[in-house]
Formats: sequence, structure tokens, C-alpha cells
Amino acid sequence: DTEVTQTPKHLVMGMTNKKSLKCEQHMGHRAMYWYKQKAKKPPELMFVYSYEKLSINESVPSRFSPECPNSSLLNLHLHALQPEDSALYLCASSPDGTGTGELFFGEGSRLTVL
Amino acid sequence: AQRVTQPEKLLSVFKGAPVELKCNYSYSGSPELFWYVQYSRQRLQLLLRHISRESIKGFTADLNKGETSFHLKKPFAQEEDSAMYYCALSELGNYGQNFVFGPGTRLSVLP
Repeated sequence: DTEVTQTPKHLVMGMTNKKSLKCEQHMGHRAMYWYKQKAKKPPELMFVYSYEKLSINESVPSRFSPECPNSSLLNLHLHALQPEDSALYLCASSPDGTGTGELFFGEGSRLTVL
Repeated sequence: AQRVTQPEKLLSVFKGAPVELKCNYSYSGSPELFWYVQYSRQRLQLLLRHISRESIKGFTADLNKGETSFHLKKPFAQEEDSAMYYCALSELGNYGQNFVFGPGTRLSVLP
């Protein structure tokens, strides 16, 4: 399995809802990432987990809460989001996060906040 | 601070014409540079990286440290090359590996 799988593909939520985005990879990669991509913009880094520990948090609001239950799974918990948080959320992984490994991306979860 | 710039938002060429997508970077260390491509309705995927020095789908890119550039080139563009292209820089810090993407260039290859 050489893919990063993200669920759900589409999510619509209200500002008071609590939801989660899920990401899974079975390539044995030890670094996993959350990126946010707005329309016609490049991906912006949100979080990096390296060896299941949060190593980068790019000043993301606390209404986004990442979780890495094990080396294959990455979640992004969403609570009290704002309409401007609507975007494509991309998960990616890389072999070990300590070298020159490439990023493998999922297809993304398209989030709409009403 | 690190930055990746791609001066062209949109580049249109005719099929069979040469194409060059520009990328410049500013980085204080030794950069690791990549080109990623996003075809319509597909996931973002690696096209090539400077350390491998290989040609993928006819594309090549040379790192020019003097000019801090990593331009992507192809001698004869094909219609299937139409896509969004992102130049990306990877830095290795104490916290791990971080990728920063340029703003992207949309390549349109006309028949």
C-alpha cells in the first residue's frame, strides 16, 4: 500500500459542531503532516508529527487539534470552526522526517463550515 | 526565514514548444528542492527533486546556488503536462523536516 488515505473526502459542518478528519498510511513512514490549502493557493503547513510526537505547530488556532494515535494514523479534531476555515485539508507523510524524503499526499478532505 | 517564489501564476505554451517554470528561493542553509505537480482532480505528487538529478516525464530541473534558482524545464511540452506546478523547499531543523511551497504556476499547454 503506497497511498495516504484521508476520510471523509467532503465534510460540511456548522460552527458549533465537533468533527474529525482522519488520515492513514501503511508505508512505514514516521513523519506525518497536516496542510491547509485554500483555492488557488499553495498548501500551508499546520502540524508535523515526527515519530508520533508533535514537532511543529505553525501557530494554528486551538480550534484545530491534532492527534497521532500511532505511527500509521493522524487525526485532526475540529471544534467551533469559522467559515474562513473552509478549505481543502491535506495529509501527507514522509519516510522519517529527518532527511530528504519526499512528501506523499492524500487526496484531501474538503471542509465547508457554514 | 525561507521563501520560495514562482513569478508566473499562469504560463501558456503551445504543444511542442519548450517550457520553463521559474522558481527562486531564499534559504540560509543547503536547500533541498522539489517540484510537485497537481493534475486536475488528482492528488499533489512529486515530480522531481534536485538530489536525484533525474528526468521525469521529460522534465528536468537544475539547482543553481549562485542564482538561488531551481527552474523546471521541458524541451517539448505536451497537452497532458497541463497542471499546477509547485516548487517546494525542505529544511531540516531540530524539529524535523518542514516543506515550504511556492505560490504555484498553472501550466496550460494548448493544442
